[in-house]
Amino acid sequence: AQSVTQLGSHVSVSEGALVLLRCNYSSSVPPYLFWYVQYPNQGLQLLLKYTSAATLVKGINGFEAEFKKSETSFHLTKPSAHMSDAAEYFCAVRNTGTASKLTFGTGTRLQVTL
Amino acid sequence: KAGVTQTPRYLIKTRGQQVTLSCSPISGHRSVSWYQQTPGQGLQFLFEYFSETQRNKGNFPGRFSGRQFSNSRSEMNVSTLELGDSALYLCASSLDGTGETEAFFGQGTRLTVV
Repeated sequence: AQSVTQLGSHVSVSEGALVLLRCNYSSSVPPYLFWYVQYPNQGLQLLLKYTSAATLVKGINGFEAEFKKSETSFHLTKPSAHMSDAAEYFCAVRNTGTASKLTFGTGTRLQVTL
Repeated sequence: KAGVTQTPRYLIKTRGQQVTLSCSPISGHRSVSWYQQTPGQGLQFLFEYFSETQRNKGNFPGRFSGRQFSNSRSEMNVSTLELGDSALYLCASSLDGTGETEAFFGQGTRLTVV
């Protein structure tokens, strides 16, 4: 079964600093990969998705992620953190074919400090 | 375009009772998935409905069931509630729920079992 691993349950950065949230996937074939953000007491909002069209994917709010097959990684980055980026971030994978299930990582809580 | 609507937002139930949660997907979306989110287990897939048929099912006991109506609205039912069923239940809608298609999440229903 496909899965994703998020390294670091908590990440703290200063405002204006680089944000790097790590996600590694396990799959024998390139899967569909997604990054979601969740604010307190809210649902999940899609930041970006990898669909094999391009390895560098740009998303909303200045986030981007790079798919690296050799490293089985799909890390999320943002050049300059803003206080409003404080939230929980989830990496997710969906099987290829007709399967609809999203399998989520354990999440990374991002704290942004002044 | 209206988003995914989940009702109610909050519920408090007693052990042994049953509960029904509702999800109205985005207009035109035919796939509705349900997820359970808890601090201990994270986000776990419950089941997915497509065109009124359950297409995928996660590893939850039979106390968890669902259905989808002809207008794509979906309900999830949990019978004989246990304390461990306390969680945020999230509904996600997508066009067809496969591959790269985005899943749009509702704000969730927070169920507390006492």
